[in-house]
Amino acid sequence: DTGVSQDPRHKITKRGQNVTFRCDPISEHNRLYWYRQTLGQGPEFLTYFQNEAQLEKSRLLSDRFSAERPKGSFSTLEIQRTEQGDSAMYLCASSLRTGEAFFGPGTRLTVL
Amino acid sequence: DAKTTQPNSMESNEEEPVHLPCNHSTISGTDYIHWYRQLPSQGPEYVIHGLTSNVNNRMASLAIAEDRKSSTLILHRATLRDAAVYYCILLLSGAGSYQLTFGKGTKLSVIP
Repeated sequence: DTGVSQDPRHKITKRGQNVTFRCDPISEHNRLYWYRQTLGQGPEFLTYFQNEAQLEKSRLLSDRFSAERPKGSFSTLEIQRTEQGDSAMYLCASSLRTGEAFFGPGTRLTVL
Repeated sequence: DAKTTQPNSMESNEEEPVHLPCNHSTISGTDYIHWYRQLPSQGPEYVIHGLTSNVNNRMASLAIAEDRKSSTLILHRATLRDAAVYYCILLLSGAGSYQLTFGKGTKLSVIP
């Protein structure tokens, strides 16, 4: 247990539905990251927050994806109008310093 | 972006040392070399990082070539719990990118 928690751990949804994932970082960590990982591939960066400010967004983050970190604490990642290609493991990580990130267990999304 | 090259897979006998290589011939002077590993069904876990000098911690050692174009992660005594995918990542120090760019990594199998 790294201290980063994610909820839910598994989500099955039908194509076209909206889903929201939550990440609770280590409490003193001001940096929070979202990654996506598909089978057999390494994680891919999606977005980065420093406190409540979203400072970086990957080109992978289409208009259907939105992330928030109100008050610089927990974060949510919402996917609207899910597609089968969104099926993946969604990983959250937090850190105090550049590079040394602590990852949560991930939320596995299956879109039917 | 500077890229890394790692073997797809490696095998080691339990309780033997393991040397995991990484080539990064286009590394810039301000890139840190980071290693993460990912055990099955878990999020990535930070292992070690360095800039120029060799580094040791409780998990592993990092040996960096003098020209910094390659590095080696050393596990001193492999255990079954070390079976994982190991990722070598370059991260620019300073303002700008805080994202970790994972490749496919090296899948390490440990034979009892």
